[in-house]
Amino acid sequence: DTGVSQDPRHKITKRGQNVTFRCDPISEHNRLYWYRQTLGQGPEFLTYFQNEAQLEKSRLLSDRFSAERPKGSFSTLEIQRTEQGDSAMYLCASSLEAGGATEAFFGQGTRLTVV
Amino acid sequence: AQRVTQPEKLLSVFKGAPVELKCNYSYSGSPELFWYVQYSRQRLQLLLRHISRESIKGFTADLNKGETSFHLKKPFAQEEDSAMYYCALSPHTGGFKTIFGAGTRLFVKA
Repeated sequence: DTGVSQDPRHKITKRGQNVTFRCDPISEHNRLYWYRQTLGQGPEFLTYFQNEAQLEKSRLLSDRFSAERPKGSFSTLEIQRTEQGDSAMYLCASSLEAGGATEAFFGQGTRLTVV
Repeated sequence: AQRVTQPEKLLSVFKGAPVELKCNYSYSGSPELFWYVQYSRQRLQLLLRHISRESIKGFTADLNKGETSFHLKKPFAQEEDSAMYYCALSPHTGGFKTIFGAGTRLFVKA
């Protein structure tokens, strides 16, 4: 599968623990996005990278959340001091810049459960 | 405020019947509109975008700027169309924050 891959697929953690998710985008894609999806809702934008630069962050992204894309390839999303409200599906997507809005290709997601 | 509204959480139709999934949006500029689909146990994927003006898997969607709507239609539903459908909006000016609706689950009965 040469699409966007995310690891792990599932993560169960105790409240207060830190977790880190990884996303490997499609290799030639320079844009990478993180979304969060809770039950019954569509994906909500969290943050976006153009190459290694984080260009936009949602107000949903509290100071407990940090995302990196150090070499403009894979990205990590870390949540510190997890709370039960962080339980959600975390989706990564990537796209190739072609002027204006372009199609985003999504990964399978990481389902986080905070107990 | 930028918003995408899909008023129906669940839409159930019989095979061969027409289907219309509603989408209304709120945006001050000229956005790009998309429909994404998620089949069971598969990842979210693009179905169609309004600028392409094409039919994918028999689905079409017309952007109505006057009514700020982008409804998805298919004249004859098939069982394999059963899936979760998301309407989405992205700023036309090159902004990269795609806003999704809450989704409509389409169930096509045999």
